[in-house]
Amino acid sequence: QSALTQEASVSGTVGQKVTLSCRGNSNNIGSYAVGWYQQISHGAPKNVMFGKAPPSGIPDRFSGSKSGTTASLTISGLQPEDEGDYYCSTWDNILNVVIFGGGTKLTVL
Amino acid sequence: EVQLVESGGGLVKPGGSLRLSCAVSEFTFSDAWMSWVRQAPGKGLEWIGRIKSKTDGGTTHYAAPVQGRFTISRDDSKNTLYLQMNSLKTEDTGLYFCTTNAMPRYFFDYWGQGTLVTVSS
Repeated sequence: QSALTQEASVSGTVGQKVTLSCRGNSNNIGSYAVGWYQQISHGAPKNVMFGKAPPSGIPDRFSGSKSGTTASLTISGLQPEDEGDYYCSTWDNILNVVIFGGGTKLTVL
Repeated sequence: EVQLVESGGGLVKPGGSLRLSCAVSEFTFSDAWMSWVRQAPGKGLEWIGRIKSKTDGGTTHYAAPVQGRFTISRDDSKNTLYLQMNSLKTEDTGLYFCTTNAMPRYFFDYWGQGTLVTVSS
């Protein structure tokens, strides 16, 4: 069981807006910024969001937000190439480690 | 283009040892904090540990499942990160990725393609 909770699967059609969530507690998401990583076919993960800021090269249809102990990754204008697994991650100051969510499988219909 | 290339994976028996390497190019390796992250078959990502840059002390920090069995080290003259894995267990089976730590240090910006470790009798 992961320390951060993500939906197992989310789906959407091309052009739709989807939101992936990541729930934690005051020891992790409530205290630290959240990173989001996209993994396609178990290849190298790729960072798509650091807190609210996408790394350079990531389309501006990706946005990040946080409210209390829940972080969200929103993809506006879903594209076929967005399909893959998405993991959230942050620091936990009780476990004293970097923690990941269990991952969300995003399917573009 | 920044490149991280892992090597050294393979099949090993329970209780055995293996050393993974991660060669880094087009990146100021000596200034970087580096981490190892693994992924068991069909499972999610798990952070194993990290090493600071020598400028920041060069110290290491590990997750509980590998503490005392795994050792992360670095050779800045070779731009290479290492993961020495001892007393391997079947649950250590998975794909092992090396990553660079971005600021803040619990974010990861560049990732390798991973090297597969299989622990089985």
